[in-house]
Amino acid sequence: QSALTQPASVSGSDGQSITISCSGTSSDIGTYNLVSWYQHLPGKAPKLVIYEVTKRPSGVSYRFSGSKSGNTASLTISGLQAEDEADYYCCSYAVSSTTWVFGGGTKLTVL
Amino acid sequence: QVQVVESGGGVVQPGRSLRLSCAASGFNFNIYGMHWVRQAPGKGLEWLTLILYDGTKEYYADSVKGRFTISRDNSKNTLFLQMNSLRAEDTAVYYCARASGRYEYDEFEMWGQGTMVIVSS
Repeated sequence: QSALTQPASVSGSDGQSITISCSGTSSDIGTYNLVSWYQHLPGKAPKLVIYEVTKRPSGVSYRFSGSKSGNTASLTISGLQAEDEADYYCCSYAVSSTTWVFGGGTKLTVL
Repeated sequence: QVQVVESGGGVVQPGRSLRLSCAASGFNFNIYGMHWVRQAPGKGLEWLTLILYDGTKEYYADSVKGRFTISRDNSKNTLFLQMNSLRAEDTAVYYCARASGRYEYDEFEMWGQGTMVIVSS
């Protein structure tokens, strides 16, 4: 149950696009399309922004998109806004162990 | 209002026990799997345990297996986490999260705001 690997921080200017990577293994990300992403503001409840790699829940901005290649998943936020500043976590279901594993989290700063 | 609200956190001595609760409202509790996830100070999210919608199966992370027990009372729309043999490294904010459906692979669709547990002598 090793954690997925994310960059500790990313930054981008207002209006730009950023991508956060999430690296796993063939036991989690690489096997099934069961990757999700969560936005977390300190003191608040985490919020689901992407599920099943590419799907966006109702109410989540179209500026959020997800993708996957091999054992690495990515979250892209386009048209950055100040309100996007938060911690972002990727998560994958590990089918073989019937467990869930999170990434270490990425702090997004909007300049 | 659709929500889950955690309670039961506090300060507890190492080696002691604590039980957390998560009250669900605004949705049909008995058709969803439920998780506990925690965040230690300055650290990331850590998945702990899942219980299926009907309580028939439970799954645990290695870090808490044998010490923590998840359970649910569908008649009272409440999820529980019994934490035994607590250690300093269990200090964290504990979140209750509702899955999007009834299967093991359903993602965490809705979260509570968490309850703080501090393990200290």
